[in-house]
Amino acid sequence: AQSVAQPEDQVNVAEGNPLTVKCTYSVSGNPYLFWYVQYPNRGLQFLLKYITGDNLVKGSYGFEAEFNKSQTSFHLKKPSALVSDSALYFCAVRDRGGGTYKYIFGTGTRLKVLA
Amino acid sequence: EAQVTQNPRYLITVTGKKLTVTCSQNMNHEYMSWYRQDPGLGLRQIYYSMNVEVTDKGDVPEGYKVSRKEKRNFPLILESPSPNQTSLYFCASSPFGVGTEAFFGQGTRLTVV
Repeated sequence: AQSVAQPEDQVNVAEGNPLTVKCTYSVSGNPYLFWYVQYPNRGLQFLLKYITGDNLVKGSYGFEAEFNKSQTSFHLKKPSALVSDSALYFCAVRDRGGGTYKYIFGTGTRLKVLA
Repeated sequence: EAQVTQNPRYLITVTGKKLTVTCSQNMNHEYMSWYRQDPGLGLRQIYYSMNVEVTDKGDVPEGYKVSRKEKRNFPLILESPSPNQTSLYFCASSPFGVGTEAFFGQGTRLTVV
C-alpha cells in the first residue's frame, strides 16, 4: 500500500537553531513530493515541491527540502528557526502518471520553536 | 485574490439532519477534492472531481455525496450525518499540469451530536 510516514509527532527546536522535519514515502514510481504547512485555524498552505532536477529544493519562508531517492525521503529543513515557524507540517506525495491529482498525506508533524 | 472559499467555517448539527458544505474557487481550476483531517490520521481524500460532471470516490467516501455542476463549485453533502463524521473538512483545487500544487480552503469544523 502506498503511504507517507512522518515519524515524529512533534519536533521542538530553539529559535535560531536549524530544524529538520522528516518524511519518508513508500509509493511506486517517482512521485511528486510536497510540503504543506497549517497554521492554527487555517487551511494548508503550499511550502515547496520536488518535481525533477536538483535534489535540494527551496521554498517559501526560507524552508528547503532534500530529496533522497535511495532512501525515499524528503526531509524539510530550515537553517535558522523562527518562533513564527511553529505550526503543523504535512508531507504529501502525488502520483506522477495516469493524470491523477490525488495526494497521499502523512499524519503531520507539529513544530514548536521555543524562544 | 485567488482563493478557495468554504462555508460554513463551523457547524454543529444533530445526527441525521442533512447538511451541505459549500466550496468555491475563483482560479478556474479543473481539479477539486474534499479531504477530512483527523488527529493521527492526517488528511484523507473523500471525493474528487476532474472536471464538470466528473466525480469519483476517494479513500473514505461512505456517507458523503458531491456534485460538480459548475467548474467553480464543489459542494460536499452529508445526507444523514453521524457522529463519526465529526471532523475538520478541507476543500482543495488544483490546475492541470506537471506537479501543480493544491490550494486549500480555510476548513470547516463539523460536529455531529
